[in-house]
Amino acid sequence: NAGVTQTPKFQVLKTGQSMTLQCAQDMNHEYMSWYRQDPGMGLRLIHYSVGAGITDQGEVPNGYNVSRSTTEDFPLRLLSAAPSQTSVYFCASRVTGDYGYTFGSGTRLTIV
Amino acid sequence: RKEVEQDPGPFNVPEGATVAFNCTYSNSASQSFFWYRQDCRKEPKLLMSVYSSGNEDGRFTAQLNRASQYISLLIRDSKLSDSATYLCVVNPPGTYKYIFGTGTRLKVLA
Repeated sequence: NAGVTQTPKFQVLKTGQSMTLQCAQDMNHEYMSWYRQDPGMGLRLIHYSVGAGITDQGEVPNGYNVSRSTTEDFPLRLLSAAPSQTSVYFCASRVTGDYGYTFGSGTRLTIV
Repeated sequence: RKEVEQDPGPFNVPEGATVAFNCTYSNSASQSFFWYRQDCRKEPKLLMSVYSSGNEDGRFTAQLNRASQYISLLIRDSKLSDSATYLCVVNPPGTYKYIFGTGTRLKVLA
């Protein structure tokens, strides 16, 4: 049982490049979310999903796309990287109901 | 007003001390509440849920005050290993979103 797995752990991108951050969970959790964490800003919700085929926007969705074709996977796509997207990205999953999220170990992304 | 607010600290306390953090939330109808712990450069980890009647897990006690719209976390007999940032989380009504506070930093000193 690996929990929530994020890849890559570190990435440096050039402005304008695109990339996909991968997230997979093996706990059969219905809910998955992507957060970014910046100093002094806390964790901010980018996109979330309540099940396969269902996604919705969080607080800071601009510049990011998601899809949820399977229960296990929830990739986050950066369409055209900007320096403002330099951050630590966390993927998280949970079961339905009043339960907390389990987080992946994060991706540290730097846009130059 | 922010949806979830925390005092950023740091709270510097000696080993063995009792320390308490509060977290205020703006939506009075919020349903679910949690405390997370985050170590430097690591992912947040669930510490405990917060129930209406209050709940305890070892040295940690969480409470909810709906009238004043805050949750609290009490840590007794602080250990060096308790040094971390503590994040509160609120689930506003009518949404699946979990909103995180910016965290309160705790340093336990030898």
